[in-house]
Amino acid sequence: NAGVTQTPKFRILKIGQSMTLQCTQDMNHNYMYWYRQDPGMGLKLIYYSVGAGITDKGEVPNGYNVSRSTTEDFPLRLELAAPSQTSVYFCASSRGQGAGEQFFGPGTRLTVL
Amino acid sequence: KNEVEQSPQNLTAQEGEFITINCSYSVGISALHWLQQHPGGGIVSLFMLSSGKKKHGRLIATINIQEKHSSLHITASHPRDSAVYICAVRTYTGNQFYFGTGTSLTVIP
Repeated sequence: NAGVTQTPKFRILKIGQSMTLQCTQDMNHNYMYWYRQDPGMGLKLIYYSVGAGITDKGEVPNGYNVSRSTTEDFPLRLELAAPSQTSVYFCASSRGQGAGEQFFGPGTRLTVL
Repeated sequence: KNEVEQSPQNLTAQEGEFITINCSYSVGISALHWLQQHPGGGIVSLFMLSSGKKKHGRLIATINIQEKHSSLHITASHPRDSAVYICAVRTYTGNQFYFGTGTSLTVIP
């Protein structure tokens, strides 16, 4: 199993550009999450999904959108990139709320200039 | 105020020392997680706790629900334990996660 994979690993965007961060898991997990990690700060939950077709906002959803059309994929969309979105983004998945160990992807380092 | 506070922020130890990292939280939780973030950035889950104590190799995690406190202990520390250790809680009422800012551990040979 590859676990949780994320693409790209690195990206530089200009202000106002848009992009999609890809996240795929092959463990048949129902729960998937997007986090951002800023220097000196704890991870912050952006969006999560408890299954295909179901998504919900986390602590810091503004400026982002997600979709969950399949169990495997959970892409994160930035529509109008802003410097405040410069961060490292992690995708994670878990089997369910009760069996909640999370498996993390390797991260995407995004810089908005 | 952060929902999850960790101490210390930074910790340097000699190889072989016993290490304790503390985590306090202020929200009602269904579970507490300890994570390890390697210098390269990858994050792995070490423990998920809802009560009591868990042990895995040289790592021990405990939680006191009444006091809203958890500790991560590393026995016989080794340079390969050098990493950032992160405490995270899942709220009781939903699927929100809150994370501490991490404890950066350096173990010197």
